[in-house]
Amino acid sequence: LAKTTQPISMDSYEGQEVNITCSHNNIATNDYITWYQQFPSQGPRFIIQGYKTKVTNEVASLFIPADRKSSTLSLPRVSLSDTAVYYCLVGDGYGQNFVFGPGTRLSVLP
Amino acid sequence: EAQVTQNPRYLITVTGKKLTVTCSQNMNHEYMSWYRQDPGLGLRQIYYSMNVEVTDKGDVPEGYKVSRKEKRNFPLILESPSPNQTSLYFCASSSTGSTDTQYFGPGTRLTVL
Repeated sequence: LAKTTQPISMDSYEGQEVNITCSHNNIATNDYITWYQQFPSQGPRFIIQGYKTKVTNEVASLFIPADRKSSTLSLPRVSLSDTAVYYCLVGDGYGQNFVFGPGTRLSVLP
Repeated sequence: EAQVTQNPRYLITVTGKKLTVTCSQNMNHEYMSWYRQDPGLGLRQIYYSMNVEVTDKGDVPEGYKVSRKEKRNFPLILESPSPNQTSLYFCASSSTGSTDTQYFGPGTRLTVL
């Protein structure tokens, strides 16, 4: 199972771009990388998913280098409402074969 | 509205008293899963189900049971709860697997005294 490592916490200010990196040195060929956002006392919410290179949607971008041993979630111009825990998930989509990272607690300050 | 529902949302019980936490989804998803979340440990998978009558253990299955008799429901059963099962529990579903977009329920906060 690919294990992941993320920073425990990060601070940012409103309007800044935030980059959160997840390390997954043992990622397998079939594994995808997925990021979730979780607010206190709520279930996680899907943000973005990718396999390689760059993926962008309306809320974030995901950068994956060629060796796929890490990935970076980029949140453009964060606001106070982006304060949450962000989880990196690596797996091939079949049942147990995935690992949730420990999560990064992002605090956005005014 | 597409959603995953869990009941109850909060439960306080005593050691050894059997309980069931229900989970239901209205998206016709094949894959359903249960997680527990504890401070500093992130989300850990308890059990998952790839389809009706197909269930398998996750990372922390001890002390839990599940069943999948219908596609929409995936109850979590604690036959004899113990204080170390005090936790926040989440049910999730997705179309086919864990790396499909998983939709999470609102959570059930369980306290076992």
